[in-house]
Amino acid sequence: EDKVVQSPLSLVVHEGDTVTLNCSYEVTNFRSLLWYKQEKKAPTFLFMLTSSGIEKKSGRLSSILDKKELFSILNITATQTGDSAVYLCAVSPRNYGGSQGNLIFGKGTKLSVKP
Amino acid sequence: IAGITQAPTSQILAAGRRMTLRCTQDMRHNAMYWYRQDLGLGLRLIHYSNTAGTTGKGEVPDGYSVSRANTDDFPLTLASAVPSQTSVYFCASSLGKDQPQHFGDGTRLSIL
Repeated sequence: EDKVVQSPLSLVVHEGDTVTLNCSYEVTNFRSLLWYKQEKKAPTFLFMLTSSGIEKKSGRLSSILDKKELFSILNITATQTGDSAVYLCAVSPRNYGGSQGNLIFGKGTKLSVKP
Repeated sequence: IAGITQAPTSQILAAGRRMTLRCTQDMRHNAMYWYRQDLGLGLRLIHYSNTAGTTGKGEVPDGYSVSRANTDDFPLTLASAVPSQTSVYFCASSLGKDQPQHFGDGTRLSIL
C-alpha cells in the first residue's frame, strides 16, 4: 500500500532556531514529491522535487530528495513566528487512482515558532 | 485575481439532504481535484478530473459524485449527506499531471 509518513507530528521551537522536517514514502513508481505549507486555510505550494540530491531553495526554506533511501527533508533556517503552520508532504506515484498526477499526502508536521 | 474559488465557505446541513460544493478556477488549468481533510487522517483524494469531460475516483469516493462540463468548474455533490461526511473540503487544480496542485480556501461542512 502506498504511504507517506511525516515526522515529527508536531514541533515547538523559538525564533531563530533551525528546524528539519522529515518525509518518508513507500509508493509504486515514484514520480515526484511536493511540500506545502498550510496556515489557516489553503495549503500553499513550496517545492516540487523529482531528482535525488538537487536542493531546492527559497529564502530561508530548502528541501532535498533522496530517492534511494525514499525520503525528503524540509529545512527552515532562522525561523520566524510567521513560519508557524502545518507542513504537508505529498507524493505523486506514476499511477494512483488510475491517473498520473494524483497526490498521496502525509498527515503533516505542525510547527509552532515561539517569540 | 486568478485562483480557485470555493463556495460556500461553510455550511451546516441536516443528514439526508443533498448538497453541492462549488469550485471554479480561472487559471485555465486542465486538471482539478477534490480532497477532504480530517484530523488525524490528513488530506485524502475524493475525485479528480484530468480534463474537461472526464472524471475519476480517488481514495474515498463513496457518497460523492462530480462532473466536469467545462474547464473552469468542478462541482462536488453529496447526494444524501451522512454525519461521517463532516469535514473540510478542498478543491485543487493543476496545469497538468506534472505540475503542482494549487488549492482553494476550502469549505467547512458539518452534517448533523
